[in-house]
Amino acid sequence: KQEVTQIPAALSVPEGENLVLNCSFTDSAIYNLQWFRQDPGKGLTSLLLIQSSQREQTSGRLNASLDKSSGRSTLYIAASQPGDSATYLCAVEETSGSRLTFGEGTQLTVNP
Amino acid sequence: DTAVSQTPKYLVTQMGNDKSIKCEQNLGHDTMYWYKQDSKKFLKIMFSYNNKELIINETVPNRFSPKSPDKAHLNLHINSLELGDSAVYFCASSSTSGGSYEQYFGPGTRLTVT
Repeated sequence: KQEVTQIPAALSVPEGENLVLNCSFTDSAIYNLQWFRQDPGKGLTSLLLIQSSQREQTSGRLNASLDKSSGRSTLYIAASQPGDSATYLCAVEETSGSRLTFGEGTQLTVNP
Repeated sequence: DTAVSQTPKYLVTQMGNDKSIKCEQNLGHDTMYWYKQDSKKFLKIMFSYNNKELIINETVPNRFSPKSPDKAHLNLHINSLELGDSAVYFCASSSTSGGSYEQYFGPGTRLTVT
């Protein structure tokens, strides 16, 4: 059974700092990995999707990497801003069109 | 131009009642899902449908019954609501026939059972 763990559970940083969020999964036979952002009381916004054959994806200040063999992914946020404050969720999909298995999230606070 | 929409956004009801949540996607996706986010914010799959066919049916009480009238809609009906059903329910959709394979989520329905 796939299990996804995110470390740290919470992170507070000053504005402008670069930071890394970590995600690990127990079964390396994944189809893809997706990073989401969830603001309080809101839905999920997809940030980046990395397919199993890829090593990383970039979007603006965000860079996600995937090391499938070791069961790890990182989300790097450059030059953090207060608007980045949210919960970041990592999820893995084992086959196309199957369930996403989520981690418990990292709650990020960026202080002005 | 909303991609995945859910109604209602908030639902407050009493124990024992029956309620439905509706979901629609206009992305042309062939697969739709229901996830539940509990009070600890943990998200877990409940059901998925591909081309109106049930694909995933997690260990969910049979008081929960999904229905997919067509590829663009997936509704969730809940009978005899219990206090423990209080949660946020998210609908999502994706394409399995090419493209980015991302799952796109609706805004959620916050269900409160009193």
